Amino acid sequence: AQKITQTQPGMFVQEKEAVTLDCTYDTSDQSYGLFWYKQPSSGEMIFLIYQGSYDEQNATEGRYSLNFQKARKSANLVISASQLGDSAMYFCAMREGWNSGGSNYKLTFGKGTLLTVNP
Amino acid sequence: DTEVTQTPKHLVMGMTNKKSLKCEQHMGHRAMYWYKQKAKKPPELMFVYSYEKLSINESVPSRFSPECPNSSLLNLHLHALQPEDSALYLCASSHSSYGEFYEQYFGPGTRLTVT
Repeated sequence: AQKITQTQPGMFVQEKEAVTLDCTYDTSDQSYGLFWYKQPSSGEMIFLIYQGSYDEQNATEGRYSLNFQKARKSANLVISASQLGDSAMYFCAMREGWNSGGSNYKLTFGKGTLLTVNP
Repeated sequence: DTEVTQTPKHLVMGMTNKKSLKCEQHMGHRAMYWYKQKAKKPPELMFVYSYEKLSINESVPSRFSPECPNSSLLNLHLHALQPEDSALYLCASSHSSYGEFYEQYFGPGTRLTVT
């Protein structure tokens, strides 16, 4: 079984500052993928960034970067220069094999962190 | 274009009604997904279609019936729902369901209320 843990139900950050959202995971798979999604109040899940378990460098996408520490099984999201539009729910997710020996994979989400950016 | 569309955006239905949710993508993706999301909770996977065949059913009650008419379309047929089925229903697609590296792209969701 696999588990995603996001320990911060809510976070606050001042506009233009950086913020780190925590994510730890637990898996026995050697090969896995880690994802971060943003969900504004409108409901749509927006893909932000991806990190593969074999990637040696941390992933970056614009203002988003993923601090991947494989030995600690953590995949924290760093948002630099926060903007008011960054206020949303953020989900960490991991793609895992659906059944033992099978070839299908599914995405399992953490409980999410609600980020509020203050002006 | 990374757009997944869903219709309707909102749906209110009685427990005896039959309705359908629709999802469409034109990214050439061969895997499509239905998720259910209750308020303040993460999405929960319901079904996965891979190459238009149902590949994952997460023990969803039979009052939810998925259908994949072609590689671009995904439907979710609803019948005899319960009030606890009220939720945001999200559709997603990805290049494939056969690898751990493909990101899923989500639609805006359908907010369903069962009265």
